[in-house]
Amino acid sequence: GAGVSQSPRYKVAKRGQDVALRCDPISGHVSLFWYQQALGQGPEFLTYFQNEAQLDKSGLPSDRFFAERPEGSVSTLKIQRTQQEDSAVYLCASSATGTSGIEQFFGPGTRLTVL
Amino acid sequence: KQEVTQIPAALSVPEGENLVLNCSFTDSAIYNLQWFRQDPGKGLTSLLLIQSSQREQTSGRLNASLDKSSGRSTLYIAASQPGDSATYLCAVSGGGSNYKLTFGKGTLLTVNP
Repeated sequence: GAGVSQSPRYKVAKRGQDVALRCDPISGHVSLFWYQQALGQGPEFLTYFQNEAQLDKSGLPSDRFFAERPEGSVSTLKIQRTQQEDSAVYLCASSATGTSGIEQFFGPGTRLTVL
Repeated sequence: KQEVTQIPAALSVPEGENLVLNCSFTDSAIYNLQWFRQDPGKGLTSLLLIQSSQREQTSGRLNASLDKSSGRSTLYIAASQPGDSATYLCAVSGGGSNYKLTFGKGTLLTVNP
């Protein structure tokens, strides 16, 4: 496909479980972003990769959140010991470099519900 | 810290009406501004991207303007249709190398047939 894809689309976890959310960016896109969107709110920045390098992780809410992009393509956001406040939609976005590359294209998101 | 505010939070209009959605931001040192559409349970669809050096962008019935010095942007939708019903989000990116977006909370638009 031509767009950003994310899996799973929905995830239900019991409190304390670990989860892993996957993002497949647009092919060739260098930059990848993760955002968290709580119900009724706008998305909030979590972390940013340029190729495999994580250049900004200032938005990660706690050390239970970890993201990686080992080969500069697919990225995984991992949440350890999930809490109810982690319930949200997790959005992934990618963008190409270059003068027209700063537009971010978003995936459909993963809705995480922690019981 | 950049803050983005969108007014109104919700708007309901009859079909065919022209309407304006407002976005304001506190730090004028932005790189660009993007308007998105979000349908219930879906991701974000990019509508318009305005570079900091530009004043406006148009796509079909949509026109977005940017006044960087006053920290304001408007999204104008002409001849609204029920299919325009969605949440509209405004986001700005700052200078520097990471281009992370700071979003407003959105305006929930309902266009009634």
